[in-house]
Amino acid sequence: DVKVTQSSRYLVKRTGEKVFLECVQDMDHENMFWYRQDPGLGLRLIYFSYDVKMKEKGDIPEGYSVSREKKERFSLILESASTNQTSMYLCASTHSWGREGFDEQFFGPGTRLTVL
Amino acid sequence: QKEVEQNSGPLSVPEGAIASLNCTYSDRGSQSFFWYRQYSGKSPELIMSIYSNGDKEDGRFTAQLNKASQYVSLLIRDSQPSDSATYLCAVNDAQGSGNTGKLIFGQGTTLQVKP
Repeated sequence: DVKVTQSSRYLVKRTGEKVFLECVQDMDHENMFWYRQDPGLGLRLIYFSYDVKMKEKGDIPEGYSVSREKKERFSLILESASTNQTSMYLCASTHSWGREGFDEQFFGPGTRLTVL
Repeated sequence: QKEVEQNSGPLSVPEGAIASLNCTYSDRGSQSFFWYRQYSGKSPELIMSIYSNGDKEDGRFTAQLNKASQYVSLLIRDSQPSDSATYLCAVNDAQGSGNTGKLIFGQGTTLQVKP
């Protein structure tokens, strides 16, 4: 079974703090994604990565950055947390290109971040 | 703007009934279609994938795809209270003849199965 883990289930930070959210997958997936999910707005893509050291902006990258130094790990960084970044953050990964079902995304358990 | 549309619900069905969840999408180039189940406070869980027109059955779940009508549905037979959740429809974000690997998600339909 695919396993995607996230570093924290719940996190409380203060405005202006630098926040790191970690995601690790154990299936040698090449593609990894970060989303945030808010009531009424659905899932919104923040950043994604097709390979180590590669990153692409999603729909709402402002205020975020990412790091992918190792294939299994994809980190989301809030450079200076703000209250409007209070949200559920979800990481997902997919199979390698070319395999059937390569774009089936498997999600981690999520991190509920509160910025005070 | 590529879109995936779902009725937000709630859709309420009695236990044992068939629940029918519907989804339409705007991008004719999409080739991959998914249904995710999300319990309150939890992350989405993939329950069905479908790539060809027609029906695909897995246990009590049947996914139906009609690419000509740009329509995908999920039927849940013998609905149980444990099926009460939000169901997200997702389609791949195709760009021209390629596939970005990204998915476009609908906002989800809330299903309530009443005992």
